[in-house]
Amino acid sequence: AQSVTQPDIHITVSEGASLELRCNYSYGATPYLFWYVQSPGQGLQLLLKYFSGDTLVQGIKGFEAEFKRSQSSFNLRKPSVHWSDAAEYFCAVVLNDMRFGAGTRLTVKP
Amino acid sequence: NAGVTQTPKFQVLKTGQSMTLQCAQDMNHNSMYWYRQDPGMGLRLIYYSASEGTTDKGEVPNGYNVSRLNKREFSLRLESAAPSQTSVYFCASSREPRAPGELFFGEGSRLTVL
Repeated sequence: AQSVTQPDIHITVSEGASLELRCNYSYGATPYLFWYVQSPGQGLQLLLKYFSGDTLVQGIKGFEAEFKRSQSSFNLRKPSVHWSDAAEYFCAVVLNDMRFGAGTRLTVKP
Repeated sequence: NAGVTQTPKFQVLKTGQSMTLQCAQDMNHNSMYWYRQDPGMGLRLIYYSASEGTTDKGEVPNGYNVSRLNKREFSLRLESAAPSQTSVYFCASSREPRAPGELFFGEGSRLTVL
């Protein structure tokens, strides 16, 4: 079945530490790939997207993601987390329509 | 820039009552969507409208109806609310049909059905 999986429900990192959020998809073809962020009480905001070409994609707020076809993954990374990065992060894929993962909630410790 | 505006932000209903969630976008987008967000399940597509005058079912359409009133407005109606419809509802819009590009989201409408 076609699906998008975020294996980590909740991650806690210290401010200044690096971050990696995982996303795996199960589709026959390579879909378009997205990462969105949701701050408390807000809608979702696009962080970055991958359609084709360079597999390392730069986004807003210092985030980047790497597409790995062999692993069907599109993991989100940030070298140094700031307290304001605390939010919920959603991976999404588009093949015929947009499907979202269940989300990963990020807590940042001072 | 207003972007995507949803009303109301909060609503409490009793089982069997009806209500309509309103959504308007001012970005001249062709496509509009209604999602529901439930803990541990991400966002699930209820209905979408690829263009003015068209609507299509998404992943979880049962119990809902929609109206694409004009290019700006896309409403979601619950005819007879059930506790299983307690959720946060998000309206979104995109330039392209079926969201191959970026979605722009409203701030959400939290609905509780008692």
